[in-house]
Formats: sequence, C-alpha cells, structure tokens
Amino acid sequence: QKEVEQDPGPLSVPEGAIVSLNCTYSNSAFQYFMWYRQYSRKGPELLMYTYSSGNKEDGRFTAQVDKSSKYISLFIRDSQPSDSATYLCAMTDGNTGFQKLVFGTGTRLLVSP
Amino acid sequence: EAGVTQFPSHSVIEKGQTVTLRCDPISGHDNLYWYRRVMGKEIKFLLHFVKESKQDESGMPNNRFLAERTGGTYSTLKVQPAELEDSGVYFCASSQDLGSAEKLFFGSGTQLSVL
Repeated sequence: QKEVEQDPGPLSVPEGAIVSLNCTYSNSAFQYFMWYRQYSRKGPELLMYTYSSGNKEDGRFTAQVDKSSKYISLFIRDSQPSDSATYLCAMTDGNTGFQKLVFGTGTRLLVSP
Repeated sequence: EAGVTQFPSHSVIEKGQTVTLRCDPISGHDNLYWYRRVMGKEIKFLLHFVKESKQDESGMPNNRFLAERTGGTYSTLKVQPAELEDSGVYFCASSQDLGSAEKLFFGSGTQLSVL
C-alpha cells in the first residue's frame, strides 16, 4: 500500500468552477502537508504549506488537513485556464528532515475556457 | 537569481550504457536533493547532500546509482549500467534552510529514457 494516495485524474472543469483535490495517507506521523503545482516540463512549485490540522487560505486557494481522517484537500475557487497543471500533494513527518518529502502521484487538472 | 538548473533536459540511452545527470543548485544552498519519478508513479526521494556530504541516501535504488557533490556546489548522478526501469524524470532540489519545506526549490528535471 502506498503511503499517500491521490487520484491521478484527469479532472476537467469549466473556467470559474470550484475545484477540489484530495489525498489520503496512511502514516500518522506525517505533520507537514504541502501542495505543489507542476506545469508540463517544469519542476514542482510549492503552492501551499500546512502544519498539522486545520485550514489555510491564500487567495483563491484553500488547503485543509484532517489528521483524524488522514485526509488533505486543496480547493481552488474561480478556477482559471492557467490553473491547468498537475497538482501534487506531499508530506513529511519532520523528523527525517522537512525536505524529505513523500509525494502522491499527482492529479492532472484541466480548466477549459 | 537563477533557479535550480539541471542538465540535460532529456537523455535517451540504450540499456547498459552510462548516463550522468547534473544539477546546479541555487547559489548558497547547502542542501541538495535528488528525487525521481518513474512513469505512472509518484515522485520519490533518492538522497540528500549537505554541502559535499551525503546526509541521507536511503532512497537510492541500488549500487548502479552514484551521486557526488564535489566541493559542495553542483551535483552529478551517474547511472551505470542503465536498465529499462531507470527511465523516468530525475528532479534535483535545493534549499538553504533545512527547517522548512517552504524553502525547497525544484529544478525542471531530466527526462531519462532507457531503450
């Protein structure tokens, strides 16, 4: 069983839609949760970073962590064609290094005009 | 400021050949990481350098992979001999500060195809 599960998609939505991306994980030691965005032929770029449970908002993006359910989400409001990319969740326990990340497989998002 | 730079962007080799991937981290970043994404699977950690020392190489798949960071600047990852299952995208990342995942920056990756 993978430590982090993520639906690969693709997820196709019209411009302006609310997008919900999710990951589940099995390792209860994970404390730090990240969402990365990756455009084609580019490296992952950090979008959101959350410690432990709770919500974090940054513009059109909201990250949620539910540690009791081992479930994290990224919501994108008013989605734009420029949001079309692969979204990767990543997490770490912080004990083996904050930057030794465990990734999900990524969800490909397509936002049509 | 230049980001993390990787060379080449794409490499196609035959099984049994040797390939060397290079990563130039952001200037001043002591921490350098190699990650790999095999087709259809998740990005996985390979190893971590602090300056020229290997801090953690627990993700290296086998002894056909050799990573070096002489002088604590750029790093190379050599695969010798390459096998079909080594195909994938190899990412390098660097950071100055170990204390936060927010300060980790990735390169665009090297797409390795072993035929």
